[in-house]
Amino acid sequence: DAGVIQSPRHEVTEMGQEVTLRCKPISGHNSLFWYRQTMMRGLELLIYFNNNVPIDDSGMPEDRFSAKMPNASFSTLKIQPSEPRDSAVYFCASSWAARGEETQYFGPGTRLLVL
Amino acid sequence: AQKVTQAQTEISVVEKEDVTLDCVYETRDTTYYLFWYKQPPSGELVFLIRRNSFDEQNEISGRYSWNFQKSTSSFNFTITASQVVDSAVYFCALSEEFSGTYKYIFGTGTRLKVLA
Repeated sequence: DAGVIQSPRHEVTEMGQEVTLRCKPISGHNSLFWYRQTMMRGLELLIYFNNNVPIDDSGMPEDRFSAKMPNASFSTLKIQPSEPRDSAVYFCASSWAARGEETQYFGPGTRLLVL
Repeated sequence: AQKVTQAQTEISVVEKEDVTLDCVYETRDTTYYLFWYKQPPSGELVFLIRRNSFDEQNEISGRYSWNFQKSTSSFNFTITASQVVDSAVYFCALSEEFSGTYKYIFGTGTRLKVLA
């Protein structure tokens, strides 16, 4: 079975450019999570969705970040405009939102470098 | 508030030594789940184990074992006869229900270095 798919795997961009990260969750999962990982701040939960609806975006650092989930099989995280401090690894994870089944499975991550 | 503490930031051991990674959690829930993940140098986050609050039996999987003790709110992870391939960052997590779904509270991770 395919796991969580993220694209691109690596992204290098210049400050001020728009960056779009993509995620395809595991088929049948109904919860999707976006995380950011840096050496300084560790693993941070940015936003998560349940049944395509954003539940909590309190982790989104600022208005430059936005996320959408137009359907059950696709989500995007957009940064506009990007800044060097956005450089990090961004992970997407999905799970089935039922007690006892809520194990999150992570994608391989997108390594973002903003110059 | 829910909280997960991994007090050991980094541990170094020599190959074949046993090593235990500590995880202490705080929760007011009576039903909860705990998890361990491994993040090897390649960067991906790999699910290792899930444990529910009603099952305090220790679990063993090959060289890995987990000790869950509700009395001390701990869910420790032991690697027996460690190998270089065990070198990774290990994260402990607690799931928390919120608006119909479950999010994780992650610990800060323990970096394990196994030296040949």
